[in-house]
Amino acid sequence: AQTVTQSQPEMSVQEAETVTLSCTYDTSESDYYLFWYKQPPSRQMILVIRQEAYKQQNATENRFSVNFQKAAKSFSLKISDSQLGDAAMYFCAYAMEYGNKLVFGAGTILRVKS
Amino acid sequence: GEEVAQTPKHLVRGEGQKAKLYCAPIKGHSYVFWYQQVLKNEFKFLISFQNENVFDETGMPKERFSAKCLPNSPCSLEIQATKLEDSAVYFCASSPARGSYNEQFFGPGTRLTVL
Repeated sequence: AQTVTQSQPEMSVQEAETVTLSCTYDTSESDYYLFWYKQPPSRQMILVIRQEAYKQQNATENRFSVNFQKAAKSFSLKISDSQLGDAAMYFCAYAMEYGNKLVFGAGTILRVKS
Repeated sequence: GEEVAQTPKHLVRGEGQKAKLYCAPIKGHSYVFWYQQVLKNEFKFLISFQNENVFDETGMPKERFSAKCLPNSPCSLEIQATKLEDSAVYFCASSPARGSYNEQFFGPGTRLTVL
């Protein structure tokens, strides 16, 4: 079975600084997708970024980028120029190519200090 | 609609009572997913549908939980004889097509409290 591990229960970053959230996963599949979701206190789940396993190029979305290391089964999220609105719980998630269902990590609480 | 709608927002049940949650997927989306987020924030996949057909039910508890997606009706998740451990936020998500490339759009969730 696929598993996703987020080893940082909580992280803090100063406003305008950069922070990296870690995620590792375990799978025997070769084709799959990885995601980072943001969950603010409202509990609404927001997709931040996704990565296709067959793509070597790391995905980027504005201030958000990933470091995808397929061999190491690592998928970290880098947030640049952190803003107060980035404070939330961040979940790393995995899905098989056609499996659709998301397997989530335990989440990392990100606190942004002004 | 353009958003996944879930009703009710909050639901309180005494232990042993039935709970029924509803989800209206985004119009045109053929896949619906149910997830359970317990108080420790862990997400658990419950079940998914392709239109009205069960697509994947590997996460569904064998007893007490059932779900349906019928044509022209909101999807539903029903818990018979609720237990304290069923207290959680239940999220519904919808997706336009098969393939994990397609984003799952989440609803706002229904918070179930079992007393």
